[in-house]
Formats: sequence, C-alpha cells, structure tokens
Amino acid sequence: EADIYQTPRYLVIGTGKKITLECSQTMGHDKMYWYQQDPGMELHLIHYSYGVNSTEKGDLSSESTVSRIRTEHFPLTLESARPSHTSQYLCASQPPGPRSGKLFFGSGTQLSVL
Amino acid sequence: QQQVKQSPQSLIVQKGGIPIINCAYENTAFDYFPWYQQFPGKGPALLIAIRPDVSEKKEGRFTISFNKSAKQFSLHIMDSQPGDSATYFCAAANAGGTSYGKLTFGQGTILTVHP
Repeated sequence: EADIYQTPRYLVIGTGKKITLECSQTMGHDKMYWYQQDPGMELHLIHYSYGVNSTEKGDLSSESTVSRIRTEHFPLTLESARPSHTSQYLCASQPPGPRSGKLFFGSGTQLSVL
Repeated sequence: QQQVKQSPQSLIVQKGGIPIINCAYENTAFDYFPWYQQFPGKGPALLIAIRPDVSEKKEGRFTISFNKSAKQFSLHIMDSQPGDSATYFCAAANAGGTSYGKLTFGQGTILTVHP
C-alpha cells in the first residue's frame, strides 16, 4: 500500500487568510491529484500533476493553486480563503503504468472557513 | 454536467443480504470503471474495477456487472457484513493516452448493514 499523508487533518480559519494544505507520498509516484469532496459526498477533480514542474487544472474550477517542486510533495494553496471554500480536500497518488488506474488517497483535510 | 449518475443515495440491508448499487454514464469515451469504498474519516480506497471488454468481474464478495450498450454498471456485495457499512462511489475515466487517474465520480451511496 502507498503511504500518502495529508496535514492538517482539520483546519478552521477566518475569511481572508492564506492557507496551504500539505500532501506527501513516500512511494515515488509521479502522478498526483487533488479532489474536493463536497458535503453531498461527491468528489470533483480540481488539480493534477504528472511530475515535477507539471500541474494542470481539473474539471471543477477552483480558486486554489498547486505546486510540484518535489516528486513526493504536492501542496495546495488558497491565497484568500472564503466560506465557499469550506470542504473536504483529498490528495491522491497513482502508481506508474499505462493501464494503472488505482488511486491511493490520503485521509483528507476538512477545511472550515468562518 | 453530471456524467455519472449513481443510485440509490442510501441503502439499508440485513447481514447476509445482497445490496446492489447502480451507476449510469453518458460519455461513451469512458473505458475504465472503478468502485471506491470510503469509511468515515478516511479517504476512498479502490475496491474493484472493470474495463468495457468484459461484462462481469468478481473479487471475493464483490462483483461488478457491466452493460456497455445501456451505459450502465452495478456493484453487488454478496453475503454483506456489518463491516461493509461505508460509502460507495462508482467512477469512470478515459485514459486519453495519459492516465486513468482523472476520475468522474458518482454521487455516492451510503450502505448500512445491520447485524
């Protein structure tokens, strides 16, 4: 099993604050993803990366940004948090291989913006 | 645009029952269909997956049935146990020559298995 870590587990902040959600994996996977899980449970892809210095936006428009400076690290940043950003953020990594579809998810960060 | 529709939203069965969760998709370019299981406080974990070249796949007590012409697929859990109580998500992806990691998820089904 891949080890993928997300911190913090819970975050409660005020409007206008800058925040960074951390995501790290120890398996050396090139492909990593950020999904947003709304209160209705559905997950939406907001960012992905296929390797260092490679980042793309996902299907769901998001005001967050990501960076990929190291293979094992894929942080997500909100420059100015708003209540509409309140959600669960899930990070995932994917093993190599052209037909590999398995994603390993972290436990998520539950973000609440007051 | 909702590309993967999942039903029911919630499901309650007795231990030993066979819950069935259904999904329908619209995009005919999808060629990978996984099911994920999520426990409270945890991220989703891959349960089983199927590709459109087969109509059924079994792994232990979990079976996926796939109907390409109807653009539907379903998850069956045989001899369900209380430990199977979780949220289940169907998903779909089109590799497009790059990756099956860009998943389109269904809305999720909360399954409760009573002892």
